Amino acid sequence: SAVISQKPSRDICQRGTSLTIQCQVDSQVTMMFWYRQQPGQSLTLIATANQGSEATYESGFVIDKFPISRPNLTFSTLTVSNMSPEDSSIYLCSVDQQYRGGEQFFGPGTRLTVL
Amino acid sequence: AQKVTQAQTEISVVEKEDVTLDCVYETRDTTYYLFWYKQPPSGELVFLIRRNSFDEQNEISGRYSWNFQKSTSSFNFTITASQVVDSAVYFCALSVPGGATNKLIFGTGTLLAVQP
Repeated sequence: SAVISQKPSRDICQRGTSLTIQCQVDSQVTMMFWYRQQPGQSLTLIATANQGSEATYESGFVIDKFPISRPNLTFSTLTVSNMSPEDSSIYLCSVDQQYRGGEQFFGPGTRLTVL
Repeated sequence: AQKVTQAQTEISVVEKEDVTLDCVYETRDTTYYLFWYKQPPSGELVFLIRRNSFDEQNEISGRYSWNFQKSTSSFNFTITASQVVDSAVYFCALSVPGGATNKLIFGTGTLLAVQP
């Protein structure tokens, strides 16, 4: 399975600021995904990031709030913009290694606290 | 629309007990995949199993077993002789292949607490 790393692992930020989360994979992958897990909740997909195209956002998530970059097949970033305490969550990236039949493997997550 | 329901919010057992985590899914598609993931207190999501809709064979992996029944749209997960290290949140998930994305739809998770 792919090895996925995320930076930072955790951060405490002030209201109104922005944070960029990095996701690095040790192999080339077609699809990368960004999920949000609010405290005590399940995972919700924010967007799908394919290299060479614009990210596809799920209902309730917009590019101005969560801009995503996917410059190559091993790397992606998610920015959480103009943060509020409601953005306090774990943000996880995942990859879909289709040759393994659609399994998604997840990074360790970024724990974000907004004060 | 697709949906995954994990009706058990929390389960508490004593070590060595067997425990079954329930998962019921909804989809109109005939081709789909079902997954179980484990999320220990450290927060990372650990892949446990993937099953496609055409394979109803039950699977056993050590102390873990999965029972897939299309007739009841269920994909239940049993841990035999539970251990304290099994304490975690367990998520069932569904994906429908094709289109621009292969997104996972997660259930709300079941928190399993195994007491020594």
